[in-house]
Amino acid sequence: SQTIHQWPATLVQPVGSPLSLECTVEGTSNPNLYWYRQAAGRGLQLLFYSVGIGQISSEVPQNLSASRPQDRQFILSSKKLLLSDSGFYLCAWSVFRPGLYGYTFGSGTRLTVV
Amino acid sequence: GENVEQHPSTLSVQEGDSAVIKCTYSDSASNYFPWYKQELGKRPQLIIDIRSNVGEKKDQRIAVTLNKTAKHFSLHITETQPEDSAVYFCAASTEGGSEKLVFGKGTKLTVNP
Repeated sequence: SQTIHQWPATLVQPVGSPLSLECTVEGTSNPNLYWYRQAAGRGLQLLFYSVGIGQISSEVPQNLSASRPQDRQFILSSKKLLLSDSGFYLCAWSVFRPGLYGYTFGSGTRLTVV
Repeated sequence: GENVEQHPSTLSVQEGDSAVIKCTYSDSASNYFPWYKQELGKRPQLIIDIRSNVGEKKDQRIAVTLNKTAKHFSLHITETQPEDSAVYFCAASTEGGSEKLVFGKGTKLTVNP
């Protein structure tokens, strides 16, 4: 079965500190991977997506970066966090094949920058 | 790029009544339309989806309709229950390529007992 692991679940970081959030996928190969952010009480904003190893596309200019060092690993990073980086970060993957299609979300990381 | 509009932003109904949430999309190439339910502090959970080769899909109390010509799709919940209270998101995507999922801004549904 396909599963997605995301950690940590919660994180409190001071302004100016670095960030690394990791997401790994099991049970599928060559998935499309995505990072979304949800500010408090708001919708889901796509930050980055990746269609393959080393291939990263950014949707919005920001203080964050993403990397995909392995097929099933997607990392969200920042060198110096801002207060505005606070939010609920969700990793997701998509697969579209006969009999199996759709998106699966990780359990999310709630980041509070203080 | 794709743009998804969702209405209403809040919806309050009495238990047992029906609830309807509507979405429009802009990209005629979009062909996959999922609906997600998100409870407070949790990840979005897929509740139903529809592909563009189908006009309607039903799963127990939940149904989704799609009008490709008008580029809009709707979620219908019948016989609402208090546990249906949550934020609901519509989304649109195109199979193949990036398959980016673009979300509407969400509808906060409250079902009053």
